[in-house]
Amino acid sequence: SQQGEEDPQALSIQEGENATMNCSYKTSINNLQWYRQNSGRGLVHLILIRSNEREKHSGRLRVTLDTSKKSSSLLITASRAADTASYFCATSIYGQNFVFGPGTRLSVLP
Amino acid sequence: NAGVTQTPKFRVLKTGQSMTLLCAQDMNHEYMYWYRQDPGMGLRLIHYSVGEGTTAKGEVPDGYNVSRLKKQNFLLGLESAAPSQTSVYFCASSTSSGLTYEQYFGPGTRLTVT
Repeated sequence: SQQGEEDPQALSIQEGENATMNCSYKTSINNLQWYRQNSGRGLVHLILIRSNEREKHSGRLRVTLDTSKKSSSLLITASRAADTASYFCATSIYGQNFVFGPGTRLSVLP
Repeated sequence: NAGVTQTPKFRVLKTGQSMTLLCAQDMNHEYMYWYRQDPGMGLRLIHYSVGEGTTAKGEVPDGYNVSRLKKQNFLLGLESAAPSQTSVYFCASSTSSGLTYEQYFGPGTRLTVT
């Protein structure tokens, strides 16, 4: 499978600090996506990076992709308490057979 | 726009009972997906559909069936529920436009099988 895996499993930081999460996958992809899930709710799409891109920014989010290492990282800068959630990476081949990693649980302490 | 809706929100079944989960989307998306999420884990794909009248198996299809008779609806059926199917079920939809396949998720259905 294309299984994505996040690292670390859990992360606890202070408000204002940066949070970095990593994701690895096993097979070829056409894009990699990051999602956020607040406790007990559906996932919300954060950012997408295509396989021919190396870095992408969206507000306080920065995502990188290294296809040679089959890995991606998500950086959240100047974190806020509202960023407390679980973050998942997801891969697919043109919308088919989506694979989500187990997620990183981020706690941002005030 | 309601986005993606799921019915019901909660359900308790006895082992061996059957039920159908309904997912509806009003975004005219071609692709629809059913996932299950077990405690502390990521989502696992059960079945998906790339268009009306089509379905395909995902990572964990056993014990489930699906149908996509209308573009806006995707049904997930459990013919004979087992305790191992206790989980939270999420439906999602996406468009192939732009080849991004960004997924929009429903709020989930919490299913308990006793």
